[in-house]
Amino acid sequence: GAVVSQHPSWVICKSGTSVKIECRSLDFQATTMFWYRQFPKQSLMLMATSNEGSKATYEQGVEKDKFLINHASLTLSTLTVTSAHPEDSSFYICSAVPSAGTSVYNEQFFGPGTRLTVL
Amino acid sequence: KQEVTQIPAALSVPEGENLVLNCSFTDSAIYNLQWFRQDPGKGLTSLLLIQSSQREQTSGRLNASLDKSSGRSTLYIAASQPGDSATYLCAVNTGFQKLVFGTGTRLLVSP
Repeated sequence: GAVVSQHPSWVICKSGTSVKIECRSLDFQATTMFWYRQFPKQSLMLMATSNEGSKATYEQGVEKDKFLINHASLTLSTLTVTSAHPEDSSFYICSAVPSAGTSVYNEQFFGPGTRLTVL
Repeated sequence: KQEVTQIPAALSVPEGENLVLNCSFTDSAIYNLQWFRQDPGKGLTSLLLIQSSQREQTSGRLNASLDKSSGRSTLYIAASQPGDSATYLCAVNTGFQKLVFGTGTRLLVSP
């Protein structure tokens, strides 16, 4: 149980295009999901908190107009990188927190990540 | 601002050794601490979660301890195996489920 998937697992795009990454909780509902970015040989940095039915909360220094987050249902959050540039190339990982009342509440479960390469 | 540091940054040991990974954090006001494993190019696998009120957690060959007042946690791996080779990350929950990750320890266990 508590499986999180991401799609696609990797994507290559041209500079200036937009890319959408999906994060799904497969066997539980998640009111809150998080998006992280990881550069090579570095740790994970939180980008934003995605809350179902409301606007995302972005960490300091993260451009909300560049990284659009939509959490339309209790099992799906999407991250769209708009007008991507080579410096946006990174490993993007999402996590999901099971909604209150479940046995694994208070623990985050991570997706397998999406490797984005912008040419 | 919470900062999480892991020592050592890299560790290479022969198979069978017991080893300890260290994690320190600057602000003791945490809700819980998690240890994760990350294989190259992959996502995170949760190993152990310690609530702020707990002192340790065990799972198989893994044992994690937490000393919140001193801002320290250790991950003990018994009888290491080549399959344990990975990067190990600790992360503290600073509230509202927000995790601050450590810098990671790259472990290589040679046969």
